[in-house]
Amino acid sequence: IQLTQSPSLLSASVGDRVTLSCKGSQNINNYLAWYQQKLGEAPKLLIYKTNSLQTGIPSRFSGSGSGTDYTLTISSLHSEDLATYYCYQYNNGFTFGSGTKLEIK
Amino acid sequence: EVQLVESGGGLVQPGRSMKLSCAASGFTFSSFAMAWVRQAPTKGLEWVASISYDGGNTYYRDSVKGRFTISRDNAKSSLYLQMDSLRSEDTSTYYCAKVDWEPFFDYWGQGVMVTVSS
Repeated sequence: IQLTQSPSLLSASVGDRVTLSCKGSQNINNYLAWYQQKLGEAPKLLIYKTNSLQTGIPSRFSGSGSGTDYTLTISSLHSEDLATYYCYQYNNGFTFGSGTKLEIK
Repeated sequence: EVQLVESGGGLVQPGRSMKLSCAASGFTFSSFAMAWVRQAPTKGLEWVASISYDGGNTYYRDSVKGRFTISRDNAKSSLYLQMDSLRSEDTSTYYCAKVDWEPFFDYWGQGVMVTVSS
């Protein structure tokens, strides 16, 4: 399964509601996770099984979707959310998307 | 607190071998599958290999099958990646990752850089 993330680059302001998209080449059956990677750091798990929030992750992060189309939403952007975000499917093999780089205006 | 600490990276010539290690602590290592994920410079993430909790099952991406071997020592809470016949395209930061009860990665090490170059 291939994953296509859009946009590849997103610029937003602190306080904005931000939506990142991930589209699979086949049905993912909700076996989708989201990771945040800050510059120079290891990835961090944010969301698993489409909409389950990992322990310790702020509630401004949420996930949704079904079938082939999934979304990560940040309800109110914080400056520390500057990072690249990757979706990852584990329904059929293990595949990461190419990432969305989130910039703060 | 879960901790994963990789070691063993560096510069290696094409065609040579290198072995990465990952020391785990803060969880019952023998109960969980483990994996290696890599990231080429300025590129995205790429799953490399996984191993079941008891080492009985291993899985590899096609591009490393027959060249890389994932293994574990539950008595030492350690994960390994033996990399043979290395190629320039294997140049990456390699992350050790703990696999949750479902096959996603819930904890990651800080990564170790492997550079394949003459």
